[in-house]
Amino acid sequence: GESVGLHLPTLSVQEGDNSIINCAYSNSASDYFIWYKQESGKGPQFIIDIRSNMDKRQGQRVTVLLNKTVKHLSLQIAATQPGDSAVYFCAETTGGGNKLTFGTGTQLKVEL
Amino acid sequence: KAGVTQTPRYLIKTRGQQVTLSCSPISGHRSVSWYQQTPGQGLQFLFEYFSETQRNKGNFPGRFSGRQFSNSRSEMNVSTLELGDSALYLCASSLERPGDEKLFFGSGTQLSVL
Repeated sequence: GESVGLHLPTLSVQEGDNSIINCAYSNSASDYFIWYKQESGKGPQFIIDIRSNMDKRQGQRVTVLLNKTVKHLSLQIAATQPGDSAVYFCAETTGGGNKLTFGTGTQLKVEL
Repeated sequence: KAGVTQTPRYLIKTRGQQVTLSCSPISGHRSVSWYQQTPGQGLQFLFEYFSETQRNKGNFPGRFSGRQFSNSRSEMNVSTLELGDSALYLCASSLERPGDEKLFFGSGTQLSVL
């Protein structure tokens, strides 16, 4: 069936460096994409979203890039901080509603 | 503004029992969704309720059910518990305003089935 998957299960970066977390999706009909951050013992926390009619969106220290041609999504975190250490999930949905398909997650570890 | 509140935080049950989990959405949010999170399967959609009606359903057996009340609070029920039902059950709510479909999650209920 359709699924959203992540390339790298674990990403280690040095504090202050930029992080890039990637996600591949297979449903070409997906029109809304979201990145979530999940810390231990907590629920997923919304980071940033993007619609399929856009290819880039920026937030505070984060940027999401969407490449519909190759069905690829990425999350860039600038000047990574220890507080950014968490599992990051991409999710997608089609036609609105809240039936999200989540990726498997990437563990981001920030080294001091 | 209070976030999504789920109770209880932890729950231990034995096989064959049933369990009811509760979720209070963010004030003003009318859509409530439930997800199951396990190390093996990740985050999987269970069902979504809007204005007391189930709007979407995931691929889970009929032992999993839910409902939504007129104040948007929601409950999910799992009957005849199995060991494989051990998971973190997450509730999420959204405003459902066109152009603003962000989904906000609670901290979840950790269910252990022994």
